[in-house]
Amino acid sequence: QVQLQQSGPGLVKPSQTLSLTCAISGDSVSANRAAWTWIRQSPSRGLEWLGKTYYRSKWYIDYGGSVKGRITIKADPAKNQFSLQLTSVTPEDTAVYFCARARGIGLLDYWGRGSLVTVSA
Amino acid sequence: DIHMTQTPSSLSASVGDTVTITCQASHDISNTLNWYQQKPGKAPKLLIYDASTLEAGVTVRFSGSGSGTEFTFTIRGLQPEDIATYYCQQYDTLPHTFGQGTKLEIK
Repeated sequence: QVQLQQSGPGLVKPSQTLSLTCAISGDSVSANRAAWTWIRQSPSRGLEWLGKTYYRSKWYIDYGGSVKGRITIKADPAKNQFSLQLTSVTPEDTAVYFCARARGIGLLDYWGRGSLVTVSA
Repeated sequence: DIHMTQTPSSLSASVGDTVTITCQASHDISNTLNWYQQKPGKAPKLLIYDASTLEAGVTVRFSGSGSGTEFTFTIRGLQPEDIATYYCQQYDTLPHTFGQGTKLEIK
């Protein structure tokens, strides 16, 4: 059974960097049949796909348009986890952030429990 | 980005009813469409993928159909445990956008 355990601060100040980690059990971040994905959810923006990383003989990363330029997703095979960094945050980045496994290209079949991140001074 | 439009945004039905939710894509996405169920305080749960394939362990009361730009999700024999918000998501083109959701309530 795949489990995703999210961790990271729940409060970030404006202009600072939001950082979250998703630890994987029951699968490998290097598995060539999965992609490791970040999604966020807020009342104003709904569910928003942020990006994913995956390994297919080499590492690939794809990012969503609304956060491009501010987002970094990294895999850490040694710790079997992946991470999200979002720079220069504003209150509009306040949301529940989910990590998820995508089976194949885009079937999000396992999700973390979600992390509420509030951007406030 | 591909825009996904779900209708209705909310829906009230009685136990035992058949309910249908529609998802329209702004571009042809073939059958690259998923449906999710989300209950309050929980992560979304994958119900249907490739527009019509039921995820393992999901009740057969749920079904999906469609291709191209028009898709439907149907619940037959509505049960109290089906109360949730339902989302469609396309994975044809990055970013893998979601619909805005349909909140289902029991009358």
